[in-house]
Amino acid sequence: GDSVTQMEGPVTLSEEAFLTINCTYTATGYPSLFWYVQYPGEGLQLLLKATKADDKGSNKGFEATYRKETTSFHLEKGSVQVSDSAVYFCALGNQAGTALIFGKGTTLSVSS
Amino acid sequence: EPEVTQTPSHQVTQMGQEVILRCVPISNHLYFYWYRQILGQKVEFLVSFYNNEISEKSEIFDDQFSVERPDGSNFTLKIRSTKLEDSAMYFCASSERQVNYGYTFGSGTRLTVV
Repeated sequence: GDSVTQMEGPVTLSEEAFLTINCTYTATGYPSLFWYVQYPGEGLQLLLKATKADDKGSNKGFEATYRKETTSFHLEKGSVQVSDSAVYFCALGNQAGTALIFGKGTTLSVSS
Repeated sequence: EPEVTQTPSHQVTQMGQEVILRCVPISNHLYFYWYRQILGQKVEFLVSFYNNEISEKSEIFDDQFSVERPDGSNFTLKIRSTKLEDSAMYFCASSERQVNYGYTFGSGTRLTVV
């Protein structure tokens, strides 16, 4: 079945460092891909999405490119801030169904 | 910005009791969902709901669970006889269109079964 694999955390960075969180997927057909963010004590917020191969999603300085050839959707940010500290979830949505399939989440901790 | 509202934020219940978790989706959204997240684990799909019926459900969503949209604004998840392993954060979500466009999630209800 469909699945999402994220890099294990936690990821600990200093402010202004470069961030990469790896995400790969297995899916039939042509899924849409998402990154959600969960700040402490809050719900899941859609960070960015891409609906077809080679699309780049971007928001708040974060970017991810839908790479069909490597089945990946890695999240990047050029310069992280303390306020980016959160749990980041990669997810896919397959046209065949209605469910989002989530990865296990990666905790990011940014220190000043 | 429109929000999905969930109540209560935290509920404690005794094992074997029935609980109802409530959600108010975004008003023009047509698709509704429940997910759960056991502490420290992944977010898991429970059920999707469209046009007043269940569209899809996971293996987790057994006969102990039910969903309802009783009045055109609320969307509820009922757990008939809670078990300790039902302790989790339950998230409601809604979307205007199908999954490819992403959802809006609520802030969740933390259910603790004792």
